[in-house]
Amino acid sequence: DIQMTQSPSSLSASVGDRVTITCRASQSISSYLNWYQQKPGKAPKLLIYAASSLQSGVPSRFSGSGSGTDFTLTISSLQPEDFATYYCQQSYSTLLFTFGPGTKVDIK
Amino acid sequence: QLQLQESGPGLVKPSETLSLTCTVSGGSISSSSYYWGWIRQPPGKGLEWIGSIYYSGSTYYNPSLKSRVTISVDTSKNQFSLKLSSVTAADTAVYYCASSVAVAGFDIWGQGTMVTVSS
Repeated sequence: DIQMTQSPSSLSASVGDRVTITCRASQSISSYLNWYQQKPGKAPKLLIYAASSLQSGVPSRFSGSGSGTDFTLTISSLQPEDFATYYCQQSYSTLLFTFGPGTKVDIK
Repeated sequence: QLQLQESGPGLVKPSETLSLTCTVSGGSISSSSYYWGWIRQPPGKGLEWIGSIYYSGSTYYNPSLKSRVTISVDTSKNQFSLKLSSVTAADTAVYYCASSVAVAGFDIWGQGTMVTVSS
């Protein structure tokens, strides 16, 4: 099974900060990596698919990069509505998906 | 606009079978574009993919749950369902249904339904 890790597990940041979250796979997953945002009490929202493709309707301050085992989600200028938990998810194994443990972004 | 809605009991007794249904509106469950999935989230914890199904009936399950999970589709009702047998307290979670375009992530989610396993 492919295992996913994320770092950090949590971070504190201010509005306007540039935020970077890292996701690592236990083996190469090419670019089969998706990112989600989840706010308390709400369903997750797809932000990025295929490592770097922005989902329709998602603000351009969100971007994704990476391939193989190491991936990054970047928020270029953190906005108040961006405080949430972020999850990566691999989709390399044919429909055998795995989520990362999550990174909580809160207000500094 | 595709919409998904979970339904089912909020309380299940230990050792019994958890049964949930996801109703799809705004589109056809028989669309060849989509896979239909179940994901759960225990209170205060992360997301766990349970399994997915294609309209043809092909199923894909999380190996850690495979022995207890059945996902099926009812095209006549535009619904798909989850059955999880022999539940324990560890199966207490919010259960979400969601759609994915193959491996391009789950783009549409239901609102989630809380299921508690308790006697």
